[in-house]
Amino acid sequence: RKEVEQDPGPFNVPEGATVAFNCTYSNSASQSFFWYRQDCRKEPKLLMSVYSSGNEDGRFTAQLNRASQYISLLIRDSKLSDSATYLCVVREGSQGNLIFGKGTKLSVKP
Amino acid sequence: EPEVTQTPSHQVTQMGQEVILRCVPISNHLYFYWYRQILGQKVEFLVSFYNNEISEKSEIFDDQFSVERPDGSNFTLKIRSTKLEDSAMYFCASADDRAGNQPQHFGDGTRLSIL
Repeated sequence: RKEVEQDPGPFNVPEGATVAFNCTYSNSASQSFFWYRQDCRKEPKLLMSVYSSGNEDGRFTAQLNRASQYISLLIRDSKLSDSATYLCVVREGSQGNLIFGKGTKLSVKP
Repeated sequence: EPEVTQTPSHQVTQMGQEVILRCVPISNHLYFYWYRQILGQKVEFLVSFYNNEISEKSEIFDDQFSVERPDGSNFTLKIRSTKLEDSAMYFCASADDRAGNQPQHFGDGTRLSIL
C-alpha cells in the first residue's frame, strides 16, 4: 500500500518562529512531490512543488531526499495567516493521481 | 486566475438516493480527477479521467460511482445509491499534464451529507 506519512501535530508556534515539517513516502518510484495547504473545511491549495535540488519561495523552503524518501518544508518568520494544515502530496501512477498525507496542523499565535 | 468550480457547495440527500456532483475544470486542462475527504481524515483519490474515459480508479470507486463529461465543459460524479459512509467533501481537480511538476488545481468542494 502506497503511503505518505506526516506528523499530525499540532505545532503551536509564536509569530516570527521558524517551523519545520517532515514527511516520508513509501513508493521509491514516485516522481513528483508537492506541499499543499488546507484551511479548515476548504480545498487543498498548492503551496509549492518540491524539486530534487530543493527550492525556496519567499519564507518557504522545500527539500527532497530521494534516498531516504523524505520531504521537508521549512517556514521562516511565521505569520498568523500561516495557520493551516500542511499536506505532503506525492504524485503516483501513470495517470498522475495524488496520494495525500494526513497533514500537519500549524497554529501560529500572536 | 482560472479556477475549478464545483456545484452545489452542499448537498443533503436521503440514503439510497442518487446524487450528481458537478465540476467545471479549467478550460484548457485535459486531465480530470475526483477526490474525497471524510471529516477528519486525509484526502483520498477516487478516479482520473482523460480523453473521455476513466484512466485510473481506486478501490473506493466501486460500481455505485460513475463519471461523465457530457458536454465538453462539465465533469460529473454520480453516486447511484448513496450510503451513510459516502458523507464527505468531494473535490474535483484538473491539470494540464499528468506528469512532472504540473500541479492539480482543486475546486472548493461539495460537502455531501447523507441522512
